[in-house]
Amino acid sequence: DSGVTQTPKHLITATGQRVTLRCSPRSGDLSVYWYQQSLDQGLQFLIQYYNGEERAKGNILERFSAQQFPDLHSELNLSSLELGDSALYFCASSVTSSKNIQYFGAGTRLSVL
Amino acid sequence: GEDVEQSLFLSVREGDSSVINCTYTDSSSTYLYWYKQEPGAGLQLLTYIFSNMDMKQDQRLTVLLNKKDKHLSLRIADTQTGDSAIYFCAETGDSSYKLIFGSGTRLLVRP
Repeated sequence: DSGVTQTPKHLITATGQRVTLRCSPRSGDLSVYWYQQSLDQGLQFLIQYYNGEERAKGNILERFSAQQFPDLHSELNLSSLELGDSALYFCASSVTSSKNIQYFGAGTRLSVL
Repeated sequence: GEDVEQSLFLSVREGDSSVINCTYTDSSSTYLYWYKQEPGAGLQLLTYIFSNMDMKQDQRLTVLLNKKDKHLSLRIADTQTGDSAIYFCAETGDSSYKLIFGSGTRLLVRP
């Protein structure tokens, strides 16, 4: 067990809908990262938060947004969902904001029908 | 650019050693990592190596780093059926935050 908790494990929804994925980092970790794993794109970095502030952005669509709350948990919001958004979404956490070992959660599998 | 390459598939017999190879492009990576993903599971950090090291051993796992050739390998000794999974190589590249992953090597261990 990595200590990173993601909920829900599975999510099935329809095109055009909006969903929220939740992540609780390891105790003591201030940084949270979101990644998307899909068959065609592999594992891609989406966004990073550090102590409540956005720190870095990767290949994240404008329809997607995230935030990190004062208790350090993070949420990834996906809106206007398309079939191609079906993927496994991972959250990872690390102690500080850079050059640190990232520990991953079990992921949320999103299926858009 | 940032790119991590791995072979897609490896099949070994139980009890043999497995060697999974990876090449990366960015010599500024501070850490290089190996993650394991079992079916339906998340990414488990197996081991990592700091860029100023050549080798790291951790029980059945040996990581070798050749910085000149930008080549990383993971050797699993006495491979067991429970080692069957997808193994991902990752680097930090010239960024200080994101991990850049290879496409993963699927290891199949035959009894």
